[in-house]
Amino acid sequence: DAGITQSPRHKVTETGTPVTLRCHQTENHRYMYWYRQDPGHGLRLIHYSYGVKDTDKGEVSDGYSVSRSKTEDFLLTLESATSSQTSVYFCAISPGSNTEAFFGQGTRLTVV
Amino acid sequence: GNSVTQMEGPVTLSEEAFLTINCTYTATGYPSLFWYVQYPGEGLQLLLKATKADDKGSNKGFEATYRKETTSFHLEKGSVQVSDSAVYFCALSGRYGGSQGNLIFGKGTKLSVKP
Repeated sequence: DAGITQSPRHKVTETGTPVTLRCHQTENHRYMYWYRQDPGHGLRLIHYSYGVKDTDKGEVSDGYSVSRSKTEDFLLTLESATSSQTSVYFCAISPGSNTEAFFGQGTRLTVV
Repeated sequence: GNSVTQMEGPVTLSEEAFLTINCTYTATGYPSLFWYVQYPGEGLQLLLKATKADDKGSNKGFEATYRKETTSFHLEKGSVQVSDSAVYFCALSGRYGGSQGNLIFGKGTKLSVKP
Protein backbone atom coordinates (compact mmCIF):
# COMPACT_ATOMS: atom_id res chain seq x y z
CA ASP A 1 0.00 0.00 0.00
CA ALA A 2 1.13 3.53 -0.77
CA GLY A 3 2.14 5.35 2.39
CA ILE A 4 -0.84 7.59 2.89
CA THR A 5 -2.42 8.22 6.25
CA GLN A 6 -5.58 10.21 6.79
CA SER A 7 -6.62 11.48 10.18
CA PRO A 8 -9.03 11.34 11.76
CA ARG A 9 -10.81 8.38 10.18
CA HIS A 10 -14.16 9.38 11.62
CA LYS A 11 -15.42 12.66 12.99
CA VAL A 12 -18.73 14.08 14.12
CA THR A 13 -18.89 17.84 14.48
CA GLU A 14 -21.47 20.53 14.96
CA THR A 15 -22.63 23.01 12.36
CA GLY A 16 -20.55 26.18 12.39
CA THR A 17 -17.41 24.69 13.89
CA PRO A 18 -14.07 24.60 12.07
CA VAL A 19 -12.69 21.21 11.12
CA THR A 20 -9.27 20.20 9.81
CA LEU A 21 -8.52 16.91 8.10
CA ARG A 22 -4.96 15.79 7.65
CA CYS A 23 -3.29 13.78 4.93
CA HIS A 24 0.25 12.52 5.45
CA GLN A 25 2.35 10.74 2.84
CA THR A 26 5.68 8.98 3.02
CA GLU A 27 6.14 8.60 -0.76
CA ASN A 28 7.55 12.07 -1.49
CA HIS A 29 5.03 12.51 -4.32
CA ARG A 30 4.63 15.96 -5.77
CA TYR A 31 0.87 16.00 -6.25
CA MET A 32 -1.72 15.71 -3.49
CA TYR A 33 -5.49 15.93 -3.78
CA TRP A 34 -8.60 16.12 -1.67
CA TYR A 35 -11.77 14.53 -3.03
CA ARG A 36 -15.19 14.07 -1.53
CA GLN A 37 -17.38 11.08 -2.26
CA ASP A 38 -21.15 11.33 -2.19
CA PRO A 39 -23.83 8.94 -3.45
CA GLY A 40 -24.77 9.73 -7.04
CA HIS A 41 -21.80 12.03 -7.54
CA GLY A 42 -18.81 9.75 -7.51
CA LEU A 43 -15.61 11.51 -6.50
CA ARG A 44 -15.30 15.24 -6.89
CA LEU A 45 -12.11 17.23 -6.58
CA ILE A 46 -12.07 19.83 -3.82
CA HIS A 47 -8.52 21.18 -3.94
CA TYR A 48 -5.17 19.94 -5.08
CA SER A 49 -1.51 20.75 -4.63
CA TYR A 50 1.30 20.53 -7.15
CA GLY A 51 4.09 21.40 -4.74
CA VAL A 52 4.84 22.93 -1.37
CA LYS A 53 2.71 26.04 -0.99
CA ASP A 54 1.30 25.52 -4.51
CA THR A 55 -2.40 24.79 -4.38
CA ASP A 56 -5.42 25.36 -6.55
CA LYS A 57 -9.17 24.93 -6.50
CA GLY A 58 -11.06 21.97 -7.80
CA GLU A 59 -14.64 21.45 -8.83
CA VAL A 60 -16.26 21.87 -5.38
CA SER A 61 -13.95 24.19 -3.46
CA ASP A 62 -16.49 26.55 -1.85
CA GLY A 63 -16.34 26.34 1.94
CA TYR A 64 -12.95 24.60 1.96
CA SER A 65 -9.37 25.75 2.20
CA VAL A 66 -6.10 23.84 2.07
CA SER A 67 -2.49 24.25 3.06
CA ARG A 68 0.70 22.43 2.21
CA SER A 69 3.72 23.66 4.16
CA LYS A 70 5.66 20.41 3.74
CA THR A 71 5.84 17.86 0.95
CA GLU A 72 4.37 15.17 3.16
CA ASP A 73 1.36 16.97 4.62
CA PHE A 74 -1.77 18.35 3.00
CA LEU A 75 -4.45 19.81 5.26
CA LEU A 76 -8.09 20.37 4.37
CA THR A 77 -9.99 22.89 6.49
CA LEU A 78 -13.71 23.47 6.66
CA GLU A 79 -13.87 26.99 8.02
CA SER A 80 -17.43 26.68 9.29
CA ALA A 81 -18.88 23.22 8.78
CA THR A 82 -22.34 22.82 7.26
CA SER A 83 -24.56 19.76 6.93
CA SER A 84 -23.92 19.73 3.17
CA GLN A 85 -20.30 18.93 3.95
CA THR A 86 -21.24 15.62 5.51
CA SER A 87 -19.34 13.23 3.28
CA VAL A 88 -16.46 10.82 2.95
CA TYR A 89 -13.22 12.64 2.20
CA PHE A 90 -10.34 11.00 0.38
CA CYS A 91 -6.79 12.15 0.05
CA ALA A 92 -4.79 10.99 -2.95
CA ILE A 93 -1.21 11.38 -4.13
CA SER A 94 0.56 10.98 -7.45
CA PRO A 95 4.16 11.32 -8.58
CA GLY A 96 3.42 13.37 -11.66
CA SER A 97 0.86 14.50 -14.17
CA ASN A 98 -0.94 11.99 -16.37
CA THR A 99 -0.22 9.19 -13.89
CA GLU A 100 -2.32 7.14 -11.52
CA ALA A 101 -3.16 8.37 -8.06
CA PHE A 102 -3.01 6.43 -4.83
CA PHE A 103 -5.72 6.87 -2.26
CA GLY A 104 -5.92 6.97 1.48
CA GLN A 105 -8.53 5.08 3.48
CA GLY A 106 -10.87 8.01 3.77
CA THR A 107 -12.35 10.16 6.54
CA ARG A 108 -16.03 9.94 7.27
CA LEU A 109 -17.22 13.37 8.42
CA THR A 110 -20.68 13.97 9.83
CA VAL A 111 -21.87 17.50 10.48
CA VAL A 112 -24.87 17.65 12.82
CA GLY B 1 -13.49 20.01 -20.33
CA ASN B 2 -12.59 16.39 -19.79
CA SER B 3 -15.32 14.08 -18.55
CA VAL B 4 -16.13 10.43 -17.99
CA THR B 5 -19.45 8.63 -18.38
CA GLN B 6 -19.90 5.09 -17.11
CA MET B 7 -22.90 2.83 -17.07
CA GLU B 8 -25.39 3.20 -14.26
CA GLY B 9 -25.61 0.46 -11.74
CA PRO B 10 -26.19 -1.55 -9.80
CA VAL B 11 -25.14 -4.59 -11.80
CA THR B 12 -26.05 -7.98 -10.38
CA LEU B 13 -24.49 -11.12 -11.80
CA SER B 14 -24.23 -14.77 -10.91
CA GLU B 15 -20.83 -16.24 -10.15
CA GLU B 16 -18.86 -17.16 -13.30
CA ALA B 17 -20.87 -14.78 -15.49
CA PHE B 18 -19.21 -12.44 -17.97
CA LEU B 19 -18.84 -8.82 -16.89
CA THR B 20 -18.80 -5.66 -18.97
CA ILE B 21 -18.94 -2.17 -17.48
CA ASN B 22 -19.06 0.52 -20.13
CA CYS B 23 -16.99 3.69 -19.90
CA THR B 24 -16.73 6.50 -22.44
CA TYR B 25 -14.80 9.71 -22.14
CA THR B 26 -14.42 13.20 -23.54
CA ALA B 27 -10.96 14.65 -23.50
CA THR B 28 -8.57 16.98 -25.21
CA GLY B 29 -5.08 15.80 -25.79
CA TYR B 30 -3.97 12.29 -24.86
CA PRO B 31 -5.10 11.37 -21.37
CA SER B 32 -4.29 8.18 -19.54
CA LEU B 33 -7.26 6.01 -18.57
CA PHE B 34 -7.80 4.05 -15.37
CA TRP B 35 -10.14 1.68 -13.61
CA TYR B 36 -10.32 1.82 -9.84
CA VAL B 37 -12.12 -0.53 -7.46
CA GLN B 38 -13.55 0.30 -4.06
CA TYR B 39 -14.48 -2.41 -1.59
CA PRO B 40 -16.92 -1.55 1.21
CA GLY B 41 -15.43 0.77 3.80
CA GLU B 42 -12.16 1.16 1.95
CA GLY B 43 -10.39 3.65 -0.27
CA LEU B 44 -9.99 3.33 -4.00
CA GLN B 45 -7.44 0.91 -5.39
CA LEU B 46 -5.99 1.09 -8.87
CA LEU B 47 -7.20 -1.93 -10.83
CA LEU B 48 -5.62 -1.28 -14.22
CA LYS B 49 -4.52 1.48 -16.53
CA ALA B 50 -3.70 2.34 -20.15
CA THR B 51 -1.61 5.27 -21.22
CA LYS B 52 -2.08 5.41 -25.00
CA ALA B 53 -4.44 4.36 -27.75
CA ASP B 54 -4.80 0.58 -28.28
CA ASP B 55 -3.09 -0.21 -25.00
CA LYS B 56 -4.74 -2.98 -23.01
CA GLY B 57 -4.59 -2.81 -19.25
CA SER B 58 -5.09 -6.02 -17.30
CA ASN B 59 -5.03 -7.20 -13.71
CA LYS B 60 -6.67 -9.99 -11.67
CA GLY B 61 -8.56 -11.24 -14.75
CA PHE B 62 -9.96 -7.80 -15.59
CA GLU B 63 -9.14 -6.15 -18.91
CA ALA B 64 -9.83 -2.85 -20.64
CA THR B 65 -8.63 -1.50 -23.99
CA TYR B 66 -8.04 2.18 -24.72
CA ARG B 67 -10.13 2.83 -27.86
CA LYS B 68 -9.48 6.30 -29.18
CA GLU B 69 -11.77 5.89 -32.19
CA THR B 70 -14.78 5.20 -29.95
CA THR B 71 -13.44 7.15 -26.92
CA SER B 72 -14.11 4.12 -24.76
CA PHE B 73 -12.39 2.08 -22.04
CA HIS B 74 -14.82 -0.70 -21.18
CA LEU B 75 -13.99 -3.03 -18.28
CA GLU B 76 -14.40 -6.77 -18.86
CA LYS B 77 -13.91 -9.98 -16.95
CA GLY B 78 -14.65 -13.42 -18.28
CA SER B 79 -15.80 -15.07 -15.06
CA VAL B 80 -16.67 -13.01 -12.00
CA GLN B 81 -16.43 -14.21 -8.41
CA VAL B 82 -18.31 -13.20 -5.30
CA SER B 83 -15.13 -11.46 -4.14
CA ASP B 84 -15.39 -9.08 -7.13
CA SER B 85 -18.42 -7.42 -5.54
CA ALA B 86 -17.42 -3.76 -5.22
CA VAL B 87 -17.85 -0.34 -6.80
CA TYR B 88 -15.86 0.26 -9.98
CA PHE B 89 -14.78 3.70 -11.14
CA CYS B 90 -13.53 4.72 -14.55
CA ALA B 91 -11.19 7.72 -14.56
CA LEU B 92 -8.99 9.75 -16.81
CA SER B 93 -6.11 12.07 -16.17
CA GLY B 94 -7.22 15.59 -16.78
CA ARG B 95 -6.60 19.26 -16.47
CA TYR B 96 -8.34 21.52 -14.07
CA GLY B 97 -7.70 25.19 -13.69
CA GLY B 98 -4.82 25.00 -16.10
CA SER B 99 -2.78 22.60 -14.05
CA GLN B 100 -2.17 18.94 -14.53
CA GLY B 101 -2.27 15.80 -12.57
CA ASN B 102 -5.74 15.31 -11.23
CA LEU B 103 -8.03 12.46 -12.10
CA ILE B 104 -11.60 12.90 -13.30
CA PHE B 105 -13.93 10.09 -12.24
CA GLY B 106 -17.13 8.58 -13.46
CA LYS B 107 -19.91 8.16 -10.91
CA GLY B 108 -19.11 4.54 -10.24
CA THR B 109 -20.87 1.24 -10.94
CA LYS B 110 -21.78 -1.07 -8.10
CA LEU B 111 -21.31 -4.74 -8.89
CA SER B 112 -22.92 -7.48 -6.83
CA VAL B 113 -22.03 -11.09 -7.59
CA LYS B 114 -24.33 -13.81 -6.23
CA PRO B 115 -23.12 -17.35 -5.46
